[in-house]
Amino acid sequence: QQQVKQSPQSLIVQKGGISIINCAYENTAFDYFPWYQQFPGKGPALLIAIRPDVSEKKEGRFTISFNKSAKQFSLHIMDSQPGDSATYFCAASINTGNQFYFGTGTSLTVIP
Amino acid sequence: ETGVTQSPTHLIKTRGQQVTLRCSSQSGHNTVSWYQQALGQGPQFIFQYYREEENGRGNFPPRFSGLQFPNYSSELNVNALELDDSALYLCASSLTGVLGSPLHFGNGTRLTVT
Repeated sequence: QQQVKQSPQSLIVQKGGISIINCAYENTAFDYFPWYQQFPGKGPALLIAIRPDVSEKKEGRFTISFNKSAKQFSLHIMDSQPGDSATYFCAASINTGNQFYFGTGTSLTVIP
Repeated sequence: ETGVTQSPTHLIKTRGQQVTLRCSSQSGHNTVSWYQQALGQGPQFIFQYYREEENGRGNFPPRFSGLQFPNYSSELNVNALELDDSALYLCASSLTGVLGSPLHFGNGTRLTVT
């Protein structure tokens, strides 16, 4: 059973556009929601994370929107650049505990 | 600050063999987790080690085992390899006891079982 469901599977965006990736979860005990970026041949790297006590967190061009009642959260990449082309994973855990549950990933391609 | 390093980067084994993968955690981190990432999928939690003890395990059979050493480095051992064990194995370090301490991943070991 997939604890965190992620969509879309792939996304193509023009340079300068907004990329939006969505995730949904069922376990209301989750209280830490990070997003990871992974380039080919590399391990995932933490991009941005949020806790459910806030509805939005912004770091540079990256924003997480969090809807606790709907059990959904999303990543918005503003002014998308070709260098943002990578696979993005959402994840969830309980109190940054020992097990992170990852989504299935979104392959983002930003066209110049 | 030294990041997470894993060795080897690539490995080819035959079904039924045993394999050991190694990981050096990021300096200052006391916890190591191992994840399996199949092609086109998200990482799946195998287990975590803290203070040289297993501190949580995912849905993986006992032929997946591990160790953590006093310097916080770690090994993942897989016995009786199966074709489905072919994947990228990721090691991640973190700091238990610090709220908000995220996972820091290495670049993984690509294991191919033939």
